[in-house]
Amino acid sequence: DQQVKQNSPSLSVQEGRISILNCDYTNSMFDYFLWYKKYPAEGPTFLISISSIKDKNEDGRFTVFLNKSAKHLSLHIVPSQPGDSAVYFCAAKPWEGAQKLVFGQGTRLTINP
Amino acid sequence: DTAVSQTPKYLVTQMGNDKSIKCEQNLGHDTMYWYKQDSKKFLKIMFSYNNKELIINETVPNRFSPKSPDKAHLNLHINSLELGDSAVYFCASSQGRFTNQPQHFGDGTRLSIL
Repeated sequence: DQQVKQNSPSLSVQEGRISILNCDYTNSMFDYFLWYKKYPAEGPTFLISISSIKDKNEDGRFTVFLNKSAKHLSLHIVPSQPGDSAVYFCAAKPWEGAQKLVFGQGTRLTINP
Repeated sequence: DTAVSQTPKYLVTQMGNDKSIKCEQNLGHDTMYWYKQDSKKFLKIMFSYNNKELIINETVPNRFSPKSPDKAHLNLHINSLELGDSAVYFCASSQGRFTNQPQHFGDGTRLSIL
């Protein structure tokens, strides 16, 4: 029973365009969400987070949107660059200070020149 | 200077053996974690320690035993290895027990059981 799902295993986007990665969750107790980026043979690195009191958080080219009623979040990357090619994991936890992260299975993003 | 380092990077062994994976962090963090990434690619938490105290212990077989000799180290010992233990194991660390500080991950240990 996977509580965090990333239904697109892969996504291919042209350089300079917008990349949109999606994530759905089923547990209504989740209140804090994170995105991690992972290159091959490396560990995930933290990218951006959002609390449920917000519906949007921006950091440079990265913006995360949260729709609590739909239990859906998305990560937008604009403009996409070749270095953005990686696997992106969505993660959730019940509150901001909780230790236990529940991860999705990841989406492999490929940016084509 | 690696922040969270795991050894070995690859581990190939036979069913029934006992093996250990070591993890060290030089970030000064007080909380460490072990995750397992299975064949379906989900990262699932196994254990977490805060200042050497076990704070998260998910439903994991007793064959898995974490040990934290100090807050900079968290090792994972696995007894009687089974085929289903084949996975990538990630160590992570973060600062503070109840904070929003993100977790920092090591590069993983790929365990293959023959």
